[in-house]
Amino acid sequence: DVKVTQSSRYLVKRTGEKVFLECVQDMDHENMFWYRQDPGLGLRLIYFSYDVKMKEKGDIPEGYSVSREKKERFSLILESASTNQTSMYLCASSLSMGQGGEKLFFGSGTQLSVL
Amino acid sequence: AQTVTQSQPEMSVQEAETVTLSCTYDTSESDYYLFWYKQPPSRQMILVIRQEAYKQQNATENRFSVNFQKAAKSFSLKISDSQLGDAAMYFCAYAGNTPLVFGKGTRLSVIA
Repeated sequence: DVKVTQSSRYLVKRTGEKVFLECVQDMDHENMFWYRQDPGLGLRLIYFSYDVKMKEKGDIPEGYSVSREKKERFSLILESASTNQTSMYLCASSLSMGQGGEKLFFGSGTQLSVL
Repeated sequence: AQTVTQSQPEMSVQEAETVTLSCTYDTSESDYYLFWYKQPPSRQMILVIRQEAYKQQNATENRFSVNFQKAAKSFSLKISDSQLGDAAMYFCAYAGNTPLVFGKGTRLSVIA
């Protein structure tokens, strides 16, 4: 089974801190995604990557950046955390973007609180 | 841009009964896939069922089935013989030429 591992299940940070959320997948998937999940808003795409060192903005990239130096690892970076970035962050990977009907494999999420 | 709408924020069902969760979507693409994902309290997203738009036949996975109406752009999920373990958030999702787009979710409660 594909495993997508997010480094932290819960994280508490201070406003203005630089925050790194790490995600590692073990199935040699080309594509990786970062979603943000908020009550009543569902999952919204922040960034995605279809290859090493490649990245594309999703629907809500403001305030975030990403890094993909190795195929298996996709990091989400909050340059200067703000309280409105308190949320659950879900990482996912897949063989294709979705047009092939490939399912996404998800990590178990990081609940980030910014105080 | 594609959008996915789930009009029922919360639903409940008696154990052993049947419940239907609604989903509509908007797209100009002709070739796409639709999904239902389940997120239990553990937060782990689980794929429930997948439908290919070019297939007329509705997908079925054990107690889960869909009613796919392509012309109406409707994709509802029916859960038969509901079990306590079915209690979760359910997300409808669309996949075309862009990454998966999700609806806002429906929280399903199962009453014993």
